Amino acid sequence: AQKITQTQPGMFVQEKEAVTLDCTYDTSDQSYGLFWYKQPSSGEMIFLIYQGSYDEQNATEGRYSLNFQKARKSANLVISASQLGDSAMYFCAMREGGGSNYKLTFGKGTLLTVNP
Amino acid sequence: AAGVIQSPRHLIKEKRETATLKCYPIPRHDTVYWYQQGPGQDPQFLISFYEKMQSDKGSIPDRFSAQQFSDYHSELNMSSLELGDSALYFCASSLAGTPMVEQYFGPGTRLTVT
Repeated sequence: AQKITQTQPGMFVQEKEAVTLDCTYDTSDQSYGLFWYKQPSSGEMIFLIYQGSYDEQNATEGRYSLNFQKARKSANLVISASQLGDSAMYFCAMREGGGSNYKLTFGKGTLLTVNP
Repeated sequence: AAGVIQSPRHLIKEKRETATLKCYPIPRHDTVYWYQQGPGQDPQFLISFYEKMQSDKGSIPDRFSAQQFSDYHSELNMSSLELGDSALYFCASSLAGTPMVEQYFGPGTRLTVT
């Protein structure tokens, strides 16, 4: 079974509007972390936001917020006031367990296109 | 702030050749991860090292090997290259034992096998 599911292969949004990118996850661990990364066409992997499984409040970083619904196992990324530079591939990823080693498992990604 | 350094950034090899990718983690980071991202794919975990010891292994082919050196830099050695090895290879680093916020990714090495 997929550990990270991103059901939207592609999304379109008008500049200055908000957009939500969906992510659901599957884990039996109590301790885990959820990440969102942005990958522009140039290829680098840019960290956007992180949510720990024990964090009670939804994470926010500037225009990015994470809508964390633990019971539903969802961690949707909300981008407010979209900009043309937000056009990129967005990956949701999960780290399970803890300690010194926490490899990330990625979803298939959502390609976001911001239209002027 | 210093970031993860990967070299080379681009590499072109022929089938059956060997390649070595290098990764220099953020200073004081003790854990290194390698990921492979094929064209149009999500990154897949290959292998990780903590304090110079292999800590986890993913879907890494037997033709690949890696190690972490005393200065914490890591090298991914790839032999008998195949066309399917063409991909973007990321190295990421972290510091074990810290309240983890992010795994810092390098810019990637784009390997093309012809």
